[in-house]
Amino acid sequence: EAQVTQNPRYLITVTGKKLTVTCSQNMNHEYMSWYRQDPGLGLRQIYYSMNVEVTDKGDVPEGYKVSRKEKRNFPLILESPSPNQTSLYFCASSRDRGNSNQPQHFGDGTRLSIL
Amino acid sequence: DAKTTQPTSMDCAEGRAANLPCNHSTISGNEYVYWYRQIHSQGPQYIIHGLKNNETNEMASLIITEDRKSSTLILPHATLRDTAVYYCVHYGGSQGNLIFGKGTKLSVKP
Repeated sequence: EAQVTQNPRYLITVTGKKLTVTCSQNMNHEYMSWYRQDPGLGLRQIYYSMNVEVTDKGDVPEGYKVSRKEKRNFPLILESPSPNQTSLYFCASSRDRGNSNQPQHFGDGTRLSIL
Repeated sequence: DAKTTQPTSMDCAEGRAANLPCNHSTISGNEYVYWYRQIHSQGPQYIIHGLKNNETNEMASLIITEDRKSSTLILPHATLRDTAVYYCVHYGGSQGNLIFGKGTKLSVKP
């Protein structure tokens, strides 16, 4: 089954404790992206990757890092989490970015609470 | 910012067709219109997309006006499981990010 898998689904942690949210897709997609969803603000893109070793900032990249060492994986790293990063996070992938005739497929989400 | 506007909420009786409108008068001529839905806080689920022609798949139909200023998503026989927030979506540009507006909360009632 084609899917985007995120882990963990839920995490409560404390300020400053480094954490990583993993994302993996099994569709051989080149493009992957991270979004955060906050009430009243909708979904906002954090980082995206057009292919292996190619990543770039989205609209709200501050406080986050990503890596793309393999095509299937795109982890989101919070080096020193802060309470304002408490949010619902989604990973998405699509075959490529250049042609807008490409639906993005989303993971089930990761709910992060930073105390 | 989103170039789409949708009603905040709609109700539909179970078994009836749900018609969800979207205005997107400022989307350019080569931009696809996508529809997603989100059930509770699950990941957005892709439904359908189109450019100029009407489209149909196993989930829904998409009717796009000839001037491309608006579209309507049709769920032909709504069920209780179709209760969700439905988003009319477009791409933001070179980042490949999808721009979600506020969406329409569809409530399917028995």
